[in-house]
Amino acid sequence: DTGVSQNPRHKITKRGQNVTFRCDPISEHNRLYWYRQTLGQGPEFLTYFQNEAQLEKSRLLSDRFSAERPKGSFSTLEIQRTEQGDSAMYLCASSLGYGGTGATDTQYFGPGTRLTVL
Amino acid sequence: GQNIDQPTEMTATEGAIVQINCTYQTSGFNGLFWYQQHAGEAPTFLSYNVLDGLEEKGRFSSFLSRSKGYSYLLLKELQMKDSASYLCAVKGYQKVTFGTGTKLQVIP
Repeated sequence: DTGVSQNPRHKITKRGQNVTFRCDPISEHNRLYWYRQTLGQGPEFLTYFQNEAQLEKSRLLSDRFSAERPKGSFSTLEIQRTEQGDSAMYLCASSLGYGGTGATDTQYFGPGTRLTVL
Repeated sequence: GQNIDQPTEMTATEGAIVQINCTYQTSGFNGLFWYQQHAGEAPTFLSYNVLDGLEEKGRFSSFLSRSKGYSYLLLKELQMKDSASYLCAVKGYQKVTFGTGTKLQVIP
């Protein structure tokens, strides 16, 4: 399977705990994105990477959230001191990132990590 | 910033045609995507438009008018498996902004 993979698929944690999610993009893709999605809403942009560089971070993202992509391959998203409002589906997507047409920048999504904060 | 508007819900009959509209206001435009998302699953790519006009791909077509800030997704010969949410997404200078999605229910 050469698609985007995410681990774990489900995470239940208690309020105040830290959690970390992993995303492995499609191997030749240079860009990697993190989104959060709650019920009945579209994916909400959190941050994205071009190779190992974090190029944009949503202003909605508090300092409890941090993401890394140390070698330009897989990425991790960490949430510190989780709150009940952090309960959501966390989606990772990747895209080729290069090329003259937007079609090469189509984002392909992983299956997501569903976080439940009790 | 980006503002994307699409209907919340639609219902259509199996075998029929349905059109899902999307309007947007954006400070930068580098293309519009449509994604399909079944309940509990990740979005899957359907179509991409960057120039005005109609792009056809099997039973699905997508139309774009940049001057009107308008797009639609046309689904023909509806099947029960087409019941899903359809997300309109606009690419600005850097990031892609998603609408809230249109939940389509296909009934027999």
